[in-house]
Amino acid sequence: DGGITQSPKYLFRKEGQNVTLSCEQNLNHDAMYWYRQDPGQGLRLIYYSQIVNDFQKGDIAEGYSVSREKKESFPLTVTSAQKNPTAFYLCASRKSGTDGAFFGQGTRLTVV
Amino acid sequence: AQSVSQHNHHVILSEAASLELGCNYSYGGTVNLFWYVQYPGQHLQLLLKYFSGDPLVKGIKGFEAEFIKSKFSFNLRKPSVQWSDTAEYFCAVTAGYSGAGSYQLTFGKGTKLSVIP
Repeated sequence: DGGITQSPKYLFRKEGQNVTLSCEQNLNHDAMYWYRQDPGQGLRLIYYSQIVNDFQKGDIAEGYSVSREKKESFPLTVTSAQKNPTAFYLCASRKSGTDGAFFGQGTRLTVV
Repeated sequence: AQSVSQHNHHVILSEAASLELGCNYSYGGTVNLFWYVQYPGQHLQLLLKYFSGDPLVKGIKGFEAEFIKSKFSFNLRKPSVQWSDTAEYFCAVTAGYSGAGSYQLTFGKGTKLSVIP
């Protein structure tokens, strides 16, 4: 089945540690996205990538980093510089600028 | 930069009532508009989208939305809601031309819909 896979579903980390969230898609989509979802805040864009080896900052990129070395993969690193990292993280992909996005199941990150 | 406003944080309706959820966007050019739904415990799904043509678009599960350019609005409607429509609904916008701007997909804060049997 085609889709987006985010792993793991739940992730716990100690404060001060970097952590990388995985996102893989087999839909052959060019564009991929990372969003953060907090209660009452909706989905806020962290980073997006239109094509391999290229990505742009979204509205809340501070404290996060990404890479896009392969079309299928768009990992997100939550660094120790992110002041409030505990959240639900969603990855998405789109075929083009006029298409809707497909979303993964999300990763819930808890930093203690 | 574009932005989206969803004015209703939480809407509570009885079954069979009509639904209208508001969505206003801020962007000076042509736009592509989307409505997504997130059922409890499930991932976001596309309900419908507008990118050109007829401003009244129909989506899945009996939902429709009307694009009113003069009001910068894209309100979601359903004539008769069911308990299974209980979910969170998100409006989203991208720039409507081909190019870098069409890839920045911006969401509103969402509206929770609770349908009482």
